[in-house]
Amino acid sequence: AQKITQTQPGMFVQEKEAVTLDCTYDTSDQSYGLFWYKQPSSGEMIFLIYQGSYDEQNATEGRYSLNFQKARKSANLVISASQLGDSAMYFCAMREAGGSYIPTFGRGTSLIVHP
Amino acid sequence: SAVISQKPSRDICQRGTSLTIQCQVDSQVTMMFWYRQQPGQSLTLIATANQGSEATYESGFVIDKFPISRPNLTFSTLTVSNMSPEDSSIYLCSAYRDRQETQYFGPGTRLLVL
Repeated sequence: AQKITQTQPGMFVQEKEAVTLDCTYDTSDQSYGLFWYKQPSSGEMIFLIYQGSYDEQNATEGRYSLNFQKARKSANLVISASQLGDSAMYFCAMREAGGSYIPTFGRGTSLIVHP
Repeated sequence: SAVISQKPSRDICQRGTSLTIQCQVDSQVTMMFWYRQQPGQSLTLIATANQGSEATYESGFVIDKFPISRPNLTFSTLTVSNMSPEDSSIYLCSAYRDRQETQYFGPGTRLLVL
């Protein structure tokens, strides 16, 4: 079974608008961490944001915020005020205690920002 | 944060040859990993590189094909042996210092096998 599910293979957004990228996860652990990465066409994996399972507040990093709904097991990434440079692949990932903290990645969502 | 470098950044190799990819971290890390990303796909974990002992391989990956070394807490190598065109991928090194910390990635090695 998929531990990380990203249901949107591709998303389009107008420049300066906000966009939400979906991520749901499956774990029975109480202790886990959720990550989002951006991968532009250059191929590098750029860390964006992290949410720990015990964190009560939603994580934010600049224009990125993570909408963490623990009961629903979702960790959606919200990008506010999209920029052309945000066009990239976005991957959601999880590390869980039961998995020896070895990360699992979703299939990714391709985001294209239109001018 | 940890800064990770990889060499080479890209290579074009002939079928049947081997390539060794180096990964250097600017500080000591607990865990180091090697991933493969085939074109248009997500990241697939090849193995966890263990310092001073044999790597732990994921299902579908074997030591004879992907030998890994980790002589210390800041350096690891991955060798892609007896290459075929199916090995054409991006190979990514990754690491974190402890389980509460962000996982960082190297810039990747783009491999094309002809």
